[in-house]
Amino acid sequence: GENVEQHPSTLSVQEGDSAVIKCTYSDSASNYFPWYKQELGKGPQLIIDIRSNVGEKKDQRIAVTLNKTAKHFSLHITETQPEDSAVYFCAASRGDYKLSFGAGTTVTVRA
Amino acid sequence: DTAVSQTPKYLVTQMGNDKSIKCEQNLGHDTMYWYKQDSKKFLKIMFSYNNKELIINETVPNRFSPKSPDKAHLNLHINSLELGDSAVYFCASSQALSSYNSPLHFGNGTRLTVT
Repeated sequence: GENVEQHPSTLSVQEGDSAVIKCTYSDSASNYFPWYKQELGKGPQLIIDIRSNVGEKKDQRIAVTLNKTAKHFSLHITETQPEDSAVYFCAASRGDYKLSFGAGTTVTVRA
Repeated sequence: DTAVSQTPKYLVTQMGNDKSIKCEQNLGHDTMYWYKQDSKKFLKIMFSYNNKELIINETVPNRFSPKSPDKAHLNLHINSLELGDSAVYFCASSQALSSYNSPLHFGNGTRLTVT
């Protein structure tokens, strides 16, 4: 089955700086890569996703990149704000119902 | 207005008891899931139902029994609770079985503590 590894497990950044989270996946047939944000006491919420037919996608301060050859994808958050503090999960799937999650990255934005 | 709602939010119980967690979604989705999040935040799928039919049953002890009375509801019943069952349980839904075109919508979780 799919194995998704996520790094780092914790990330502390100064407000206004950028944050980068990296994930690798094992199944070359995976073609869908969502990112979820989980705030304290809440369920994960989809913030952005990328499909294998594109290499990069951007939504305001958030961007994802995908390198299919190397089988890794990354989340970039620019101009971080205190409300960006949360746990972020990457995930991968073949587009079917089985979504494999990474172990999560706890991001802390220092004011 | 909550899209995926689950009750209770907190559940504290003793070993050996039986308990249930309820989930309802008002998004009109066909597929519902139960995920378990352990103390290290790792998310693992337990069950998936599509149109009230069981689709995924990962290696979960048969003490866990999901029930879907209709498309909008997926409840989780746990028998003979064990200490290792302590975790946060998330209900989720999606438009269809395919993750490619239908992202997951999660509830806010039920924190189960077994003492």
